[in-house]
Amino acid sequence: AQKVTQAQTEISVVEKEDVTLDCVYETRDTTYYLFWYKQPPSGELVFLIRRNSFDEQNEISGRYSWNFQKSTSSFNFTITASQVVDSAVYFCALRDYNTDKLIFGTGTRLQVFP
Amino acid sequence: EADIYQTPRYLVIGTGKKITLECSQTMGHDKMYWYQQDPGMELHLIHYSYGVNSTEKGDLSSESTVSRIRTEHFPLTLESARPSHTSQYLCASRRREGSYNEQFFGPGTRLTVL
Repeated sequence: AQKVTQAQTEISVVEKEDVTLDCVYETRDTTYYLFWYKQPPSGELVFLIRRNSFDEQNEISGRYSWNFQKSTSSFNFTITASQVVDSAVYFCALRDYNTDKLIFGTGTRLQVFP
Repeated sequence: EADIYQTPRYLVIGTGKKITLECSQTMGHDKMYWYQQDPGMELHLIHYSYGVNSTEKGDLSSESTVSRIRTEHFPLTLESARPSHTSQYLCASRRREGSYNEQFFGPGTRLTVL
């Protein structure tokens, strides 16, 4: 069965701290796609990154970086030097290649205090 | 920048009323989705469509119905609202071509049924 686990329900940090959000997935597919979305207090989901199962390259975008490891079925997200504006709920998601459905984790609420 | 719109953003309504939540996108996307997000943050797919005149039920059973008469429009209707329908409803869309494409989300409708 397809599943995404975000074990951290809530994380609180002080500004400028680095923080890593964990994501572990389960799938029997050899082809699959992983995503991270950010949900600020305003409610919309904002796309952050996608990765397919054949591309294990890590990615850095400004203060954001992602570590994809197929060996441990993990797709972790790190924010370096966190800022108050990073406060949001972050969702990891897996797309089922056959059904095209997005399977979301339960989300991690990140609070960054000044 | 995603061009997907939802109205109303907030709705408070009494039990038994019929309501329609609107979702429109101007990107020409074939695939559209409705998600229900409970207060615990988890997202559940309740309806999806692969194009005009195509609608399917999602993973979470819902008393709502949808229609897809035009590519850009995917409204969700509740014939008789109940307090158990209180939730946030998020609409999303993506292009048909390319498995890799991410879903773009609208700002959501926060529904409260009294």
